[in-house]
Amino acid sequence: EVQLVQSGAEVKKPGEPLKISCKGSGYTFTNYWIGWVRQMPGKGLEWMGIIYPGDSDTTYSPSFQGQVTISADKSITTAYLQWSSLKASDSAMYYCVKLSSSRGNFDYWGQGTLVTVSS
Amino acid sequence: SYELTQPLSVSVALGQTARITCGGNYIGGKNVHWYQQKPGQAPVLVIYRDNNRPSGVPERFSGSNSGNTATLTITRAQAGDEADYYCQVWDSSTAVFGGGTKLTVL
Repeated sequence: EVQLVQSGAEVKKPGEPLKISCKGSGYTFTNYWIGWVRQMPGKGLEWMGIIYPGDSDTTYSPSFQGQVTISADKSITTAYLQWSSLKASDSAMYYCVKLSSSRGNFDYWGQGTLVTVSS
Repeated sequence: SYELTQPLSVSVALGQTARITCGGNYIGGKNVHWYQQKPGQAPVLVIYRDNNRPSGVPERFSGSNSGNTATLTITRAQAGDEADYYCQVWDSSTAVFGGGTKLTVL
């Protein structure tokens, strides 16, 4: 059974760094793109970027390029989303997603990680 | 950048047919995927590549895509179908989501 299990909710202050994780299991982690989707409170879904764990090839949405870093550690089948300096506007639910294929659909979703940034 | 337009809300009477549209420039030339999101839950794929259902999704869910509009159709609507629905495509190397449609079953 394919599973994406994300790290728990985070409460941070503006300016702090953060790295959240997503552990994939039940499939060959290195063979499928994995990505991140943001959902701000009461709003829609926004695609942030994807990574191919096999070779760490990464593509970012223009809206998020330079704002976050996506990485993966294939040895522990885990993908990451990180910020060097959080802003209040980063407060949102973040979902990791597995792609069915390159530029395919998002066939599996993690349970979400809620990030709250507040002074 | 490519944009997808969905109605903010659609209402359907219990047992009737709901249609949720997703508009985009020449969207008929792209593969459209649809996701259902119930309150407090992660989205779930309900239609992929225009008109294919993942295993476990009822046959009541179907999709079509032509010209500048893709449509998600839900027949015999049930109370459990109340949710937000999002369409999604790829434009070059960028994934694009529609703004989402809230389906209300009356």
